Amino acid sequence: GAGVSQTPSNKVTEKGKYVELRCDPISGHTALYWYRQSLGQGPEFLIYFQGTGAADDSGLPNDRFFAVRPEGSVSTLKIQRTERGDSAVYLCASSLIRTDTQYFGPGTRLTVL
Amino acid sequence: GQQVMQIPQYQHVQEGEDFTTYCNSSTTLSNIQWYKQRPGGHPVFLIQLVKSGEVKKQKRLTFQFGEAKKNSSLHITATQTTDVGTYFCADTNFGNEKLTFGTGTRLTIIP
Repeated sequence: GAGVSQTPSNKVTEKGKYVELRCDPISGHTALYWYRQSLGQGPEFLIYFQGTGAADDSGLPNDRFFAVRPEGSVSTLKIQRTERGDSAVYLCASSLIRTDTQYFGPGTRLTVL
Repeated sequence: GQQVMQIPQYQHVQEGEDFTTYCNSSTTLSNIQWYKQRPGGHPVFLIQLVKSGEVKKQKRLTFQFGEAKKNSSLHITATQTTDVGTYFCADTNFGNEKLTFGTGTRLTIIP
């Protein structure tokens, strides 16, 4: 594809529900990153994939957050038992290789009521 | 943990005036990257600085890396309405897997 795509663009859910956020990286990019951006702040790192494996998940806030990339392309960020504090824009980025420029997708705006 | 602060938080300038944002880290920076995020948009990569004291220019934008690699700056000459947005610096943490973003400076232009 032309760029990183993310679906849905907006997600409204109720406290306690489960959500899945999807990221389609640029074709051929081996590295994939998830960030979270709260209003008025810079993006915060969540997790980084090199191929299919999570190379660094040190930014995941707790065990309610999980991400997968089973075939080394599309990734899904999963949030269980959502809380109001999870409300933010979730950004995905990809790069050709680890040391290359990261290209960000448009983000998914998650609102937990 | 590392803190990357930017000042000012907000800047309102008349079109045609210059603009500068400063990025300061509590620890030595690895490489510094700069991003621009338009209102409602996503971060877009502008440039990466690697060497101590490095200066790079992109048209009206000048990027500087401090001698001690603990600070950086972005200067825009003669701002235009297209420059509106939030400018973030980010440390690559020696590997580029885990960018640590600064707090950002939001630039608004008064036509």
